[in-house]
Amino acid sequence: EAQVTQNPRYLITVTGKKLTVTCSQNMNHEYMSWYRQDPGLGLRQIYYSMNVEVTDKGDVPEGYKVSRKEKRNFPLILESPSPNQTSLYFCASSLRGLANSNEQFFGPGTRLTVL
Amino acid sequence: GQQVMQIPQYQHVQEGEDFTTYCNSSTTLSNIQWYKQRPGGHPVFLIQLVKSGEVKKQKRLTFQFGEAKKNSSLHITATQTTDVGTYFCAGSAGNQFYFGTGTSLTVIP
Repeated sequence: EAQVTQNPRYLITVTGKKLTVTCSQNMNHEYMSWYRQDPGLGLRQIYYSMNVEVTDKGDVPEGYKVSRKEKRNFPLILESPSPNQTSLYFCASSLRGLANSNEQFFGPGTRLTVL
Repeated sequence: GQQVMQIPQYQHVQEGEDFTTYCNSSTTLSNIQWYKQRPGGHPVFLIQLVKSGEVKKQKRLTFQFGEAKKNSSLHITATQTTDVGTYFCAGSAGNQFYFGTGTSLTVIP
């Protein structure tokens, strides 16, 4: 089944404790992206990747890191989480970069709480 | 920076009534996509519009892209309870996506 998976689905952590949220897609998609969703703000793009070893900042990259060593995986890293990073996080992928714009397939989401 | 505003933020309608959500960008967009997110779920792609003035229909849903490629709308005719959810527009400029703030639709049976 074609899908985007994220782990963990739920995470409660404390300020400053490094964490990684994994994202994997099995559709051979080139474009992958991370979003955070907060009430009243919609989805805001954190980082995106056009292909392996190519990553770029989105609208709200501060406090986050990403890597794209393999085509299928795009982990989101919070080196030192803070309470303002408490949010619902979505990973998404699409076949090509946005110039050819294809639909984005979203993962199920990761609800992160930073105490 | 790039902004995509969406109105209204909330809409309650009686089943059978029509519903419209509007999306406005501060800059010209390459294209616009629409997504639906059910409560507790993830965004699901509905459609993409690329051309200036483009209109597309999917059963009871009508999507429009403005002539200047800075605004878009989604209209649902005769809403049903299955239409409940939050509708997002998402415009692309360069390689980034800019999502609207979403319109949460409640349909009262």
